[in-house]
Amino acid sequence: GAVVSQHPSWVICKSGTSVKIECRSLDFQATTMFWYRQFPKQSLMLMATSNEGSKATYEQGVEKDKFLINHASLTLSTLTVTSAHPEDSSFYICSAGGLAGEFTYEQYFGPGTRLTVT
Amino acid sequence: AQSVSQHNHHVILSEAASLELGCNYSYGGTVNLFWYVQYPGQHLQLLLKYFSGDPLVKGIKGFEAEFIKSKFSFNLRKPSVQWSDTAEYFCAVNPGYSSASKIIFGSGTRLSIRP
Repeated sequence: GAVVSQHPSWVICKSGTSVKIECRSLDFQATTMFWYRQFPKQSLMLMATSNEGSKATYEQGVEKDKFLINHASLTLSTLTVTSAHPEDSSFYICSAGGLAGEFTYEQYFGPGTRLTVT
Repeated sequence: AQSVSQHNHHVILSEAASLELGCNYSYGGTVNLFWYVQYPGQHLQLLLKYFSGDPLVKGIKGFEAEFIKSKFSFNLRKPSVQWSDTAEYFCAVNPGYSSASKIIFGSGTRLSIRP
């Protein structure tokens, strides 16, 4: 149980275009989803926290107009990288927590999406 | 600000050697503690976790960690490493009362095992 999927797993886009990444909790409902960014050989940096039905909370230094987050349901959150540039190339990872109907301290991580902007 | 420190950036060991990776956090309240592993080219996997109770926690693949509250530490140990343990290891802290609280990751420790 507690499986989180991400789609796509790998995407290449041209500079200036927008890319949408989906994060789904497959067998549970999550009130909160988190989006992380990981540069090569570095740690995970939290970008934002999204709660179902409300606006996302962004970490300091993360441009909310560039990284649009939508959490429309208890099983789906999306991250849209708008007007992508090569410096946005990275590994994006989501996690789901605050399981609806359960109380647990654990978050469940997705497999990540590798974005390459050319 | 809350932070997690992993002092060893890169550890190189021979097979069968014992392992201890350090992790310290700065937060005075109740914390939930995790160790994650990321094998080359793969996604994060949970090694073990501590929420409450026995401070010595056993995880998968022979790993264990000890929570020492007075030292704000949660060090990871394994008595005898294998080549397949080569990976990046991340300590993480959830300074809250539910999984709806954000997790803060340490900078990671790269473990290289010589066959």
